[in-house]
Amino acid sequence: QKEVEQNSGPLSVPEGAIASLNCTYSDRGSQSFFWYRQYSGKSPELIMFIYSNGDKEDGRFTAQLNKASQYVSLLIRDSQPSDSATYLCAVKNRGGSYIPTFGRGTSLIVHP
Amino acid sequence: GAGVSQSPSNKVTEKGKDVELRCDPISGHTALYWYRQSLGQGLEFLIYFQGNSAPDKSGLPSDRFSAERTGGSVSTLTIQRTQQEDSAVYLCASGFSLETGELFFGEGSRLTVL
Repeated sequence: QKEVEQNSGPLSVPEGAIASLNCTYSDRGSQSFFWYRQYSGKSPELIMFIYSNGDKEDGRFTAQLNKASQYVSLLIRDSQPSDSATYLCAVKNRGGSYIPTFGRGTSLIVHP
Repeated sequence: GAGVSQSPSNKVTEKGKDVELRCDPISGHTALYWYRQSLGQGLEFLIYFQGNSAPDKSGLPSDRFSAERTGGSVSTLTIQRTQQEDSAVYLCASGFSLETGELFFGEGSRLTVL
């Protein structure tokens, strides 16, 4: 059973702070990792993907991957109230299953 | 539009009726996925297509669920003899290919079975 685990939260941070969202996965064959943002009542939106160990930065977002420890994280710098949403981690095994497995998401609240 | 389009956006039906949900993916995307999301729950995989072929139907909850895709484009998810536990948001997503894994979601079809 492939599992993707996330703390459901809510994670509450003040505006301007760094929000750190974490995700662990069970399948060591996983090779592609994705972060989606889902606003309440809306559908998920892809914000980051990472394939290699290390950090990947895109604007205020940084994805971090550590395959040895089987975790992937998303850092949001200078958090804004508009970042308040549920963040879903998704994991995929390249070449094996073509089905991205989603975690249940972490709710982030950025308060002014 | 340029995004994934789903219809209807909202469907209320009576228990035992059949429903059809439609997905129009982004042009050129060969991969198409159906997920469903119940209130406060995660995304549950249902089925995926590569072109018109559905290699893995193991996610379909029961034989009341079926899906097809025609012309490598539009997909229809059909639920026969709906039950109350089928109530959920049904999300369609498309992607460049099965290998890349990046998914672009439609706004979903909210199904309520009374």
